[in-house]
Amino acid sequence: KNQVEQSPQSLIILEGKNCTLQCNYTVSPFSNLRWYKQDTGRGPVSLTIMTFSENTKSNGRYTATLDADTKQSSLHITASQLSDSASYICVVSHSGGYNKLIFGAGTRLAVHP
Amino acid sequence: EAQVTQNPRYLITVTGKKLTVTCSQNMNHEYMSWYRQDPGLGLRQIYYSMNVEVTDKGDVPEGYKVSRKEKRNFPLILESPSPNQTSLYFCASSLSYRKETQYFGPGTRLLVL
Repeated sequence: KNQVEQSPQSLIILEGKNCTLQCNYTVSPFSNLRWYKQDTGRGPVSLTIMTFSENTKSNGRYTATLDADTKQSSLHITASQLSDSASYICVVSHSGGYNKLIFGAGTRLAVHP
Repeated sequence: EAQVTQNPRYLITVTGKKLTVTCSQNMNHEYMSWYRQDPGLGLRQIYYSMNVEVTDKGDVPEGYKVSRKEKRNFPLILESPSPNQTSLYFCASSLSYRKETQYFGPGTRLLVL
């Protein structure tokens, strides 16, 4: 079964600290992996997208890594800010057919001053 | 400004009363999709459309209908809403069905009594 699992479910860190969010997937065949940020009450916004051949991709203080062999990805946030408080969703694209997206349940991050 | 808009943003209704949630995008995107988001679960696809007059079922289509008469609009219709359709709904669009980033609307929070 095609699934995307994220850990931890929730995380609290202090402003300025770094953190890493995990994503494991069983989707096959795989097309690409995306990380989205979802602020409370808003739609998800894309942070990064990586294909099979890409190991890492950065977007400012966000760095995503991908290990297609072990089917794992991580999102590292550097020097966290209060505005980083949000849910972070890992999304894997299944390449069969029309490029269907399979969503993880998300990690809820709270950054405290 | 490039965006996906949804209306209404909030809706309270009663069981059996037909309703329509509108979705519109101004980016000339071919692909549009509807998702629902429930606590503890990832976004689940309801219906999608690859282009005008081309729609297909996603993972949870029961109780919903869609239409795509124009490229910019993709309304979601609940013919006879039930309490289990209480959820947060998101419309999304992308240039095509391939790997391009999906842009999400702001969401519609629906409560069915």
